[in-house]
Amino acid sequence: DTGVSQNPRHKITKRGQNVTFRCDPISEHNRLYWYRQTLGQGPEFLTYFQNEAQLEKSRLLSDRFSAERPKGSFSTLEIQRTEQGDSAMYLCASSLEVRIQFFGPGTRLTVL
Amino acid sequence: AQRVTQPEKLLSVFKGAPVELKCNYSYSGSPELFWYVQYSRQRLQLLLRHISRESIKGFTADLNKGETSFHLKKPFAQEEDSAMYYCALSGNAGNMLTFGGGTRLMVKP
Repeated sequence: DTGVSQNPRHKITKRGQNVTFRCDPISEHNRLYWYRQTLGQGPEFLTYFQNEAQLEKSRLLSDRFSAERPKGSFSTLEIQRTEQGDSAMYLCASSLEVRIQFFGPGTRLTVL
Repeated sequence: AQRVTQPEKLLSVFKGAPVELKCNYSYSGSPELFWYVQYSRQRLQLLLRHISRESIKGFTADLNKGETSFHLKKPFAQEEDSAMYYCALSGNAGNMLTFGGGTRLMVKP
Protein backbone atom coordinates (compact mmCIF):
# COMPACT_ATOMS: atom_id res chain seq x y z
CA ASP A 1 0.00 0.00 0.00
CA THR A 2 1.63 3.23 -1.13
CA GLY A 3 -0.90 5.58 0.44
CA VAL A 4 -0.63 7.65 3.59
CA SER A 5 -0.60 5.47 6.69
CA GLN A 6 -1.36 6.40 10.28
CA ASN A 7 -0.76 4.56 13.52
CA PRO A 8 -2.40 3.68 15.72
CA ARG A 9 -5.84 3.60 14.14
CA HIS A 10 -7.52 3.85 17.52
CA LYS A 11 -6.28 5.16 20.85
CA ILE A 12 -8.14 5.16 24.14
CA THR A 13 -6.51 7.04 26.97
CA LYS A 14 -7.35 8.51 30.33
CA ARG A 15 -7.58 12.22 30.90
CA GLY A 16 -4.21 13.71 31.74
CA GLN A 17 -2.15 11.16 29.82
CA ASN A 18 0.09 12.02 26.87
CA VAL A 19 -0.51 10.47 23.47
CA THR A 20 1.53 10.38 20.27
CA PHE A 21 0.34 9.58 16.80
CA ARG A 22 2.44 8.72 13.78
CA CYS A 23 1.91 9.53 10.11
CA ASP A 24 3.86 8.07 7.20
CA PRO A 25 3.27 10.09 4.02
CA ILE A 26 3.47 8.96 0.43
CA SER A 27 7.20 8.55 -0.13
CA GLU A 28 7.87 11.29 -2.66
CA HIS A 29 5.62 13.86 -1.00
CA ASN A 30 7.44 16.74 0.64
CA ARG A 31 4.43 18.34 2.34
CA LEU A 32 2.66 16.82 5.30
CA TYR A 33 -0.47 18.15 7.02
CA TRP A 34 -2.34 17.41 10.22
CA TYR A 35 -6.08 17.96 10.63
CA ARG A 36 -8.57 17.25 13.38
CA GLN A 37 -12.13 16.17 12.75
CA THR A 38 -14.79 16.15 15.43
CA LEU A 39 -18.15 14.46 15.10
CA GLY A 40 -20.39 16.10 12.55
CA GLN A 41 -17.76 18.56 11.38
CA GLY A 42 -15.36 18.79 8.49
CA PRO A 43 -11.61 18.42 9.03
CA GLU A 44 -9.92 21.38 10.72
CA PHE A 45 -6.36 22.29 9.79
CA LEU A 46 -3.78 22.11 12.57
CA THR A 47 -0.29 22.39 11.10
CA TYR A 48 1.87 21.49 8.13
CA PHE A 49 5.45 20.72 7.18
CA GLN A 50 7.48 21.23 4.06
CA ASN A 51 10.21 18.65 4.35
CA GLU A 52 11.35 18.91 7.97
CA ALA A 53 10.32 22.56 8.42
CA GLN A 54 7.09 23.30 10.25
CA LEU A 55 5.81 26.28 8.28
CA GLU A 56 2.49 26.85 9.97
CA LYS A 57 1.66 26.03 13.56
CA SER A 58 -0.52 28.89 14.69
CA ARG A 59 -3.59 26.70 14.21
CA LEU A 60 -2.51 24.12 16.76
CA LEU A 61 -5.28 24.13 19.32
CA SER A 62 -3.19 24.81 22.39
CA ASP A 63 0.35 24.53 23.65
CA ARG A 64 -0.44 20.95 24.64
CA PHE A 65 -0.30 20.06 20.94
CA SER A 66 3.00 19.68 19.15
CA ALA A 67 4.17 18.07 15.93
CA GLU A 68 7.51 17.03 14.52
CA ARG A 69 8.91 15.76 11.27
CA PRO A 70 12.56 15.32 12.15
CA LYS A 71 13.93 13.85 8.94
CA GLY A 72 11.35 15.12 6.52
CA SER A 73 9.71 11.73 6.23
CA PHE A 74 7.26 10.52 8.90
CA SER A 75 5.66 12.90 11.37
CA THR A 76 4.38 12.62 14.92
CA LEU A 77 1.63 14.59 16.61
CA GLU A 78 1.73 14.67 20.40
CA ILE A 79 -0.98 15.80 22.76
CA GLN A 80 0.11 16.33 26.35
CA ARG A 81 -2.21 16.19 29.35
CA THR A 82 -5.16 15.05 27.27
CA GLU A 83 -8.64 16.39 27.97
CA GLN A 84 -12.00 14.93 27.07
CA GLY A 85 -12.42 17.67 24.48
CA ASP A 86 -9.44 16.28 22.60
CA SER A 87 -11.50 13.23 21.58
CA ALA A 88 -11.63 13.36 17.80
CA MET A 89 -10.31 11.85 14.60
CA TYR A 90 -6.81 13.06 13.77
CA LEU A 91 -6.09 13.03 10.06
CA CYS A 92 -2.80 13.26 8.25
CA ALA A 93 -2.40 14.21 4.60
CA SER A 94 0.53 14.59 2.25
CA SER A 95 1.13 16.29 -1.06
CA LEU A 96 3.82 17.03 -3.59
CA GLU A 97 4.33 20.76 -3.28
CA VAL A 98 0.92 22.49 -3.28
CA ARG A 99 -0.89 19.91 -5.30
CA ILE A 100 -3.62 17.52 -4.25
CA GLN A 101 -3.60 16.38 -0.64
CA PHE A 102 -3.94 12.65 -0.06
CA PHE A 103 -5.39 11.65 3.27
CA GLY A 104 -4.61 8.81 5.63
CA PRO A 105 -7.24 6.71 7.40
CA GLY A 106 -6.97 8.73 10.59
CA THR A 107 -6.36 7.97 14.25
CA ARG A 108 -9.45 8.01 16.42
CA LEU A 109 -8.67 9.30 19.92
CA THR A 110 -11.01 8.69 22.83
CA VAL A 111 -10.18 10.40 26.11
CA LEU A 112 -11.99 8.92 29.11
CA ALA B 1 -10.25 34.60 6.54
CA GLN B 2 -11.37 31.52 4.67
CA ARG B 3 -14.77 29.99 5.22
CA VAL B 4 -16.72 27.21 3.53
CA THR B 5 -20.39 26.60 4.13
CA GLN B 6 -22.37 23.52 3.18
CA PRO B 7 -25.93 24.37 4.19
CA GLU B 8 -27.32 20.82 4.05
CA LYS B 9 -26.20 18.21 6.55
CA LEU B 10 -28.24 15.53 4.83
CA LEU B 11 -29.55 15.16 1.30
CA SER B 12 -31.73 12.19 0.47
CA VAL B 13 -32.75 11.39 -3.11
CA PHE B 14 -34.03 8.44 -5.07
CA LYS B 15 -31.86 6.57 -7.54
CA GLY B 16 -31.96 8.26 -10.92
CA ALA B 17 -32.88 11.68 -9.52
CA PRO B 18 -30.66 14.73 -10.04
CA VAL B 19 -28.39 15.75 -7.20
CA GLU B 20 -27.00 19.14 -6.22
CA LEU B 21 -24.83 19.53 -3.15
CA LYS B 22 -24.38 23.16 -2.26
CA CYS B 23 -21.14 24.84 -1.30
CA ASN B 24 -20.55 28.53 -0.65
CA TYR B 25 -17.26 30.09 0.28
CA SER B 26 -15.75 33.34 1.43
CA TYR B 27 -12.21 34.29 0.55
CA SER B 28 -10.74 37.58 -0.50
CA GLY B 29 -8.24 36.23 -3.02
CA SER B 30 -8.41 33.64 -5.78
CA PRO B 31 -9.24 30.32 -4.18
CA GLU B 32 -8.88 26.81 -5.43
CA LEU B 33 -11.97 24.73 -4.69
CA PHE B 34 -12.22 20.99 -4.19
CA TRP B 35 -14.80 18.34 -3.49
CA TYR B 36 -13.68 15.44 -1.32
CA VAL B 37 -15.76 12.31 -0.75
CA GLN B 38 -15.70 9.76 2.04
CA TYR B 39 -17.42 6.45 1.40
CA SER B 40 -18.39 4.25 4.32
CA ARG B 41 -15.32 2.91 6.13
CA GLN B 42 -12.93 4.54 3.65
CA ARG B 43 -10.59 7.47 3.86
CA LEU B 44 -11.25 10.92 2.54
CA GLN B 45 -10.43 11.11 -1.16
CA LEU B 46 -10.45 13.81 -3.78
CA LEU B 47 -13.46 13.76 -6.10
CA LEU B 48 -12.69 16.78 -8.23
CA ARG B 49 -11.08 20.23 -8.27
CA HIS B 50 -12.30 23.29 -10.07
CA ILE B 51 -9.18 23.94 -12.10
CA SER B 52 -9.42 20.52 -13.72
CA ARG B 53 -12.89 21.22 -15.08
CA GLU B 54 -13.51 17.51 -15.49
CA SER B 55 -16.33 15.13 -14.68
CA ILE B 56 -15.59 12.36 -12.22
CA LYS B 57 -18.11 9.55 -11.70
CA GLY B 58 -20.64 11.73 -13.45
CA PHE B 59 -20.18 14.62 -11.02
CA THR B 60 -19.36 18.15 -12.13
CA ALA B 61 -18.85 21.39 -10.26
CA ASP B 62 -18.50 24.91 -11.61
CA LEU B 63 -16.87 27.73 -9.74
CA ASN B 64 -19.14 30.77 -9.69
CA LYS B 65 -17.07 33.67 -8.43
CA GLY B 66 -20.00 36.07 -8.54
CA GLU B 67 -22.05 33.92 -6.20
CA THR B 68 -18.97 32.52 -4.42
CA SER B 69 -20.31 29.03 -4.93
CA PHE B 70 -18.98 25.66 -6.04
CA HIS B 71 -22.00 23.39 -6.11
CA LEU B 72 -21.59 19.71 -6.94
CA LYS B 73 -24.04 18.24 -9.43
CA LYS B 74 -24.92 14.91 -10.94
CA PRO B 75 -27.85 14.42 -13.31
CA PHE B 76 -28.72 10.86 -12.26
CA ALA B 77 -27.79 9.67 -8.78
CA GLN B 78 -26.69 6.08 -8.19
CA GLU B 79 -26.87 4.11 -4.95
CA GLU B 80 -23.07 3.90 -4.87
CA ASP B 81 -22.92 7.69 -4.64
CA SER B 82 -24.13 7.48 -1.04
CA ALA B 83 -21.33 9.02 1.02
CA MET B 84 -20.17 12.10 2.90
CA TYR B 85 -19.17 14.96 0.65
CA TYR B 86 -16.93 17.79 1.77
CA CYS B 87 -16.28 21.02 -0.06
CA ALA B 88 -12.84 22.50 0.60
CA LEU B 89 -10.96 25.67 -0.24
CA SER B 90 -7.27 26.35 -0.63
CA GLY B 91 -6.04 29.92 -0.57
CA ASN B 92 -3.19 31.59 -2.38
CA ALA B 93 -0.52 30.06 -0.19
CA GLY B 94 -1.87 26.59 -0.87
CA ASN B 95 -0.74 25.37 2.47
CA MET B 96 -4.00 24.36 4.08
CA LEU B 97 -7.50 23.25 3.21
CA THR B 98 -10.54 24.80 4.81
CA PHE B 99 -13.42 22.34 4.81
CA GLY B 100 -17.13 22.79 5.04
CA GLY B 101 -19.13 20.79 7.53
CA GLY B 102 -20.01 18.12 4.99
CA THR B 103 -23.23 16.83 3.43
CA ARG B 104 -24.33 13.24 3.76
CA LEU B 105 -25.86 12.06 0.50
CA MET B 106 -28.21 9.12 0.71
CA VAL B 107 -29.42 7.62 -2.54
CA LYS B 108 -32.41 5.39 -2.01
CA PRO B 109 -33.29 2.52 -4.35
